[in-house]
Amino acid sequence: DGGITQSPKYLFRKEGQNVTLSCEQNLNHDAMYWYRQDPGQGLRLIYYSQIVNDFQKGDIAEGYSVSREKKESFPLTVTSAQKNPTAFYLCASSIRGQQETQYFGPGTRLLVL
Amino acid sequence: EDQVTQSPEALRLQEGESSSLNCSYTVSGLRGLFWYRQDPGKGPEFLFTLYSAGEEKEKERLKATLTKKESFLHITAPKPEDSATYLCAVQAGQAGTALIFGKGTTLSVSS
Repeated sequence: DGGITQSPKYLFRKEGQNVTLSCEQNLNHDAMYWYRQDPGQGLRLIYYSQIVNDFQKGDIAEGYSVSREKKESFPLTVTSAQKNPTAFYLCASSIRGQQETQYFGPGTRLLVL
Repeated sequence: EDQVTQSPEALRLQEGESSSLNCSYTVSGLRGLFWYRQDPGKGPEFLFTLYSAGEEKEKERLKATLTKKESFLHITAPKPEDSATYLCAVQAGQAGTALIFGKGTTLSVSS
């Protein structure tokens, strides 16, 4: 069954702690993306990667880091430098080419203790 | 600056009462316009992609249209299960660039 999985569904972060959100896809998609969703706001891009071992900052990359060591995986780390991390985090993937529809995972809700 | 604006922010309909959601955009070099449906606490579910002005796509009670400045999502005879937030997004510029999203329209359909 092809798709995008994100884990965990809920994540709690303590002050000063780094946490990592997992995103895996088995769709053989080249590109992967991380978005942040806050109430009343549109999805905002954090980072994206078009190929393995390469990624670009999005509009709100400060306080976040990513890696892309495998085509199927694109983990997002929320560092202690991110002062307002409470949000719904969404991972997406797409093929590259003429038609680049992005498909989304189920999301991870991050809460601060 | 590339921008996507959706209206209205919220829409309440009676079952069977048809209406339209609007997505207006200003981008340079539109590659595609996307509609998604999002239920509370879940990831967006892909509905349609439109690539050029005049294009239309349909799925059950939904029909999406595209002009050079805006897109409409027409909902015909909606049912309560159509209640959700509908997101519009555009991709502009080079291949592989990320989507620019509007804030969404929250649709509530009552029986």
